[in-house]
Amino acid sequence: QVQLVESGGGVVQPGRSLRLSCAASQFTLSSYAVHWVRQAPGKGLEWVTFISHDGSNKYYADSVKGRFTISRDNSKSTLYLQMNSLRAEDTAVYYCARGCRGDCHSGGPFDYWGQGTLVTVSP
Amino acid sequence: SYVLTQPPSVSVAPGQTARITCGGNTIGSKSVHWYQQRSGQAPLLVVYDDSVRPSGISERFSGSNSGNTATLSIIRVEAGDEADYYCQTWTSVDDVIFGGGTKLTVL
Repeated sequence: QVQLVESGGGVVQPGRSLRLSCAASQFTLSSYAVHWVRQAPGKGLEWVTFISHDGSNKYYADSVKGRFTISRDNSKSTLYLQMNSLRAEDTAVYYCARGCRGDCHSGGPFDYWGQGTLVTVSP
Repeated sequence: SYVLTQPPSVSVAPGQTARITCGGNTIGSKSVHWYQQRSGQAPLLVVYDDSVRPSGISERFSGSNSGNTATLSIIRVEAGDEADYYCQTWTSVDDVIFGGGTKLTVL
């Protein structure tokens, strides 16, 4: 069964940095695009960022552009999200989600999701 | 920017049909995906590309999309269908949009 397991969440002060990881198993990560999607407490889903299967294309929501960086290490079957200059409004559960296979667009669908990792930005 | 509008809540009795709408300007020209999120769990894809069910999803779930409205229909609703449902589409490579979500209550 396809598995995505996020880690790295925690409590961090505003302005500081945090790096999230997403470990993939039971499928070939290098064949798929991957996304990060977040959900603030009690709120809806918000797309954050996309990376193509080979890392050549990366796209970001305006709310995180210039502060967050997505990357991947296919040799380790792991996806990363480097989050800098964190703000209170970045507080959310962060999910990694599998996107399309091969050379494809960033529009989804997201067919498998991890269980998420909670990031809390607080003084 | 493009907005997807969902009703905040829908209520239905067991055994009846639930219809959850997702409104957007000419949404019928876009591909729409639907996700179910039970309380405390990660989202689950239930319909993609307007009307396709992923493997393992009950045939009670179906989707349609035309004009300015996409619709997720659930027939013979069960208690286990109670969840939040989100529609999703995209307009450009960096504009992936979710609707605000609809809470389905099974009476």
